[in-house]
Amino acid sequence: KNQVEQSPQSLIILEGKNCTLQCNYTVSPFSNLRWYKQDTGRGPVSLTIMTFSENTKSNGRYTATLDADTKQSSLHITASQLSDSASYICVVTPGGGFKTIFGAGTRLFVKA
Amino acid sequence: DGGITQSPKYLFRKEGQNVTLSCEQNLNHDAMYWYRQDPGQGLRLIYYSQIVNDFQKGDIAEGYSVSREKKESFPLTVTSAQKNPTAFYLCASTSNSLTGGEQFFGPGTRLTVL
Repeated sequence: KNQVEQSPQSLIILEGKNCTLQCNYTVSPFSNLRWYKQDTGRGPVSLTIMTFSENTKSNGRYTATLDADTKQSSLHITASQLSDSASYICVVTPGGGFKTIFGAGTRLFVKA
Repeated sequence: DGGITQSPKYLFRKEGQNVTLSCEQNLNHDAMYWYRQDPGQGLRLIYYSQIVNDFQKGDIAEGYSVSREKKESFPLTVTSAQKNPTAFYLCASTSNSLTGGEQFFGPGTRLTVL
C-alpha cells in the first residue's frame, strides 16, 4: 500500500535555530516528491519538488533532500523565523498515475 | 490576478441539509481536485476532474457530489448522506495531472455541522 509517513508529528523550536523534518514513503514506482507549507487555515503552498534523480533542492532557507534508495526525504529549515510556524506536508506522486499521496504533516512552532 | 478561489471561507450546516462549496480557478488548468482535511490526518481525495464534463470518485466520495460544467469551476456538494462532514475542505488545480504537476490550492472552506 502506498503510504507517506512524516515525523515528528509536531516540533517546537526557538527562533533562529535550525530543524529537520522527516518523510518516509513506500510509494513505488515513484515520480516526484514535493514539500508543501500550510499556514493555519490556509491552503498548502509548494516549497520544493524533486524527481527520483535529484537528491537535494533548495528554496531560500528551506533545503530538501531525497534518498530514493531508502525512500526517505528530509526538509531542513535554517535560521528559523516566527513566520515558519506552519504545517509542512510531504507529498509523493506515484509514477504512471496522478493521485498524489499526502503525509499527515509536521506541525512546526517557532517561539521567540 | 491569477489563482484559485473558494467560497465561503466558513460555512455552517444544520443536520439534514445539503450545502455547496464553490471553487473557481483562472489558471487555465484542466485538472481540479477536492480534498478533505481533518486534524492529524493527511489530505484525503474526495473527487477529481481531469477535463470538463468528466470527473471520478476519490478515496472518500460517499456523501459528496460534484459537477464540472465549465473548465474554471468545480463545485462540491456535501449531502445529508455524509455522516461526519465537519472538516476543512480544500480545492486544488494543476496544469499537468499525468506527471504530478504542482497542485495550486485555494484558501479552503471550513464546514461545521451544527
